[in-house]
Amino acid sequence: ILNVEQSPQSLHVQEGDSTNFTCSFPSSNFYALHWYRWETAKSPEALFVMTLNGDEKKKGRISATLNTKEGYSYLYIKGSQPEDSATYLCASSSGGYQKVTFGIGTKLQVIP
Amino acid sequence: EAQVTQNPRYLITVTGKKLTVTCSQNMNHEYMSWYRQDPGLGLRQIYYSMNVEVTDKGDVPEGYKVSRKEKRNFPLILESPSPNQTSLYFCASSYRDLGDTQYFGPGTRLTVL
Repeated sequence: ILNVEQSPQSLHVQEGDSTNFTCSFPSSNFYALHWYRWETAKSPEALFVMTLNGDEKKKGRISATLNTKEGYSYLYIKGSQPEDSATYLCASSSGGYQKVTFGIGTKLQVIP
Repeated sequence: EAQVTQNPRYLITVTGKKLTVTCSQNMNHEYMSWYRQDPGLGLRQIYYSMNVEVTDKGDVPEGYKVSRKEKRNFPLILESPSPNQTSLYFCASSYRDLGDTQYFGPGTRLTVL
């Protein structure tokens, strides 16, 4: 079983602050790294899928980077808004078997 | 509307009574997967399928069965449910494999008494 770790586990920020989270994963036999946004009582919503070392993806105020050689990814939120409050999950899959392992997530609360 | 649907959304049952949770997608996706969510443990993969008649175990397959007879459907079968299978279950699909965006269904909350 891959070990995917996320930090911090929870985070409180003021509206307007920028913030970032970390996802670390085993770098051997890497295939893809996913980021999801998960609001309470809803289902996970895909933010990004990254497969290549050095990948950078952006969607509005949210962006992500990927380092497959050292096994980490960062998710950045610029100018946090209350509607950004959610749990952010990362998930890593290894090639060959198409299995995926999720981290426990980072719970973000943006205070107005 | 492109979507993944699951039924039922909520289910309370008793130990040993066979049940099936259905999952269907209308996006012609090849890859489908089942997950369970338990507090403090994160989402864990139960089974996945790369295409029709191709299924494989995830990290927690014990006590579950799946089938993929049609591309759009991927039911999860609990032949003899036990209380430790009380959980929130999600089905998900992606176009070809895990290199593509994964779309999640709305979830099924199962309670086994």
